[in-house]
Amino acid sequence: AQKITQTQPGMFVQEKEAVTLDCTYDTSDPSYGLFWYKQPSSGEMIFLIYQGSYDQQNATEGRYSLNFQKARKSANLVISASQLGDSAMYFCADWEDAGGTSYGKLTFGQGTILTVHP
Amino acid sequence: DTEVTQTPKHLVMGMTNKKSLKCEQHMGHRAMYWYKQKAKKPPELMFVYSYEKLSINESVPSRFSPECPNSSLLNLHLHALQPEDSALYLCASSQGHDAGAQYFGPGTRLLVL
Repeated sequence: AQKITQTQPGMFVQEKEAVTLDCTYDTSDPSYGLFWYKQPSSGEMIFLIYQGSYDQQNATEGRYSLNFQKARKSANLVISASQLGDSAMYFCADWEDAGGTSYGKLTFGQGTILTVHP
Repeated sequence: DTEVTQTPKHLVMGMTNKKSLKCEQHMGHRAMYWYKQKAKKPPELMFVYSYEKLSINESVPSRFSPECPNSSLLNLHLHALQPEDSALYLCASSQGHDAGAQYFGPGTRLLVL
């Protein structure tokens, strides 16, 4: 079974600074995908960024980038220029092939609560 | 704006009630999911529908009954729930190809009294 580990229960960052949220994964499957989701207090899970195991470059989406170190099995999320609206729970997740069918199964880490201070 | 909608946003029900949660997506996705999430915990997968057929049931109690009337709609029928079933219920959909992202709705906050 695949496993996602997020070791930081909570993180604090000053507004406009960068912050890194850690994520390590454990899989023997050569083909996998890693996702980051943001969940504000409202409850909705918002897809942020995706990294495929065969992608040569680190994924970036606006202020979000993924520091993908395949040998270390880590996929850390970097948020640049933090904003007050970034305060939320952040989940790392990996995708498990559901046997060649049309869907994939996501396994989530325990999450990191990010608080941005003004 | 999310393209996955869920109704109702909040639901309070007694243990003898029957209610339904509804989910709709307009992205042409062929896979739809139900997750249960307790406070400050990650979402837990309950059911997966692929091409309108139930593909995964993660050993969910029979008091939860999913239904997929068509490729855009997903329902979760609730009957004789327990207080420990109180949680945020999230619906998601995905394109279904390779490691496609799952897009979530805003969720239904359920309280069972």
